[in-house]
Amino acid sequence: GQQLNQSPQSMFIQEGEDVSMNCTSSSIFNTWLWYKQEPGEGPVLLIALYKAGELTSNGRLTAQFGITRKDSFLNISASIPSDVGIYFCAGQLQYGAGKSTFGDGTTLTVKP
Amino acid sequence: DGGITQSPKYLFRKEGQNVTLSCEQNLNHDAMYWYRQDPGQGLRLIYYSQIVNDFQKGDIAEGYSVSREKKESFPLTVTSAQKNPTAFYLCASSDQGKSGANVLTFGAGSRLTVL
Repeated sequence: GQQLNQSPQSMFIQEGEDVSMNCTSSSIFNTWLWYKQEPGEGPVLLIALYKAGELTSNGRLTAQFGITRKDSFLNISASIPSDVGIYFCAGQLQYGAGKSTFGDGTTLTVKP
Repeated sequence: DGGITQSPKYLFRKEGQNVTLSCEQNLNHDAMYWYRQDPGQGLRLIYYSQIVNDFQKGDIAEGYSVSREKKESFPLTVTSAQKNPTAFYLCASSDQGKSGANVLTFGAGSRLTVL
């Protein structure tokens, strides 16, 4: 089946720093989604991307759908302690009711 | 408020016992899913259901069973045949892309520990 390579696996940063993480795939996706999971909770959607080249922001978060449709990037600017959590990318090949393929997650730790 | 409720939050079980995890949603979503999460790994799909009285195996269905008798409910049974059942289990639902991408709404999870 399809696989996503998400990197880095973990990040330890100082409050105020910017963060970048990405997902790559050997096959194309038609939709990319980014979720955040806080400790002991389920993931929550951050950003959804629908077409190649799309750049979308949600507050301090910016995500991009790669031109090749095989990758996506998430950037967090001016990190704060509440950004701590696991960030997952997910790709969907089929529009609408398609199943999601998840990356292994990037664990973010922010030091005050 | 609409959402997904999973219970119990924590569960301990002895080897050889079956255990059922509850998942209820009041979002009026057609599709429901069960994922397993292990440390350092992504979410792996166990079973999913796109409509009442129908469900399909995901990537790691062996040792698990589900039912979908009501739209709101999608319980997961972890059977004694599951070789390594200790994990964090997440239930999710979606409107199957009616509002765009197939966005999943997750419950808070159930942590199962086999003693």
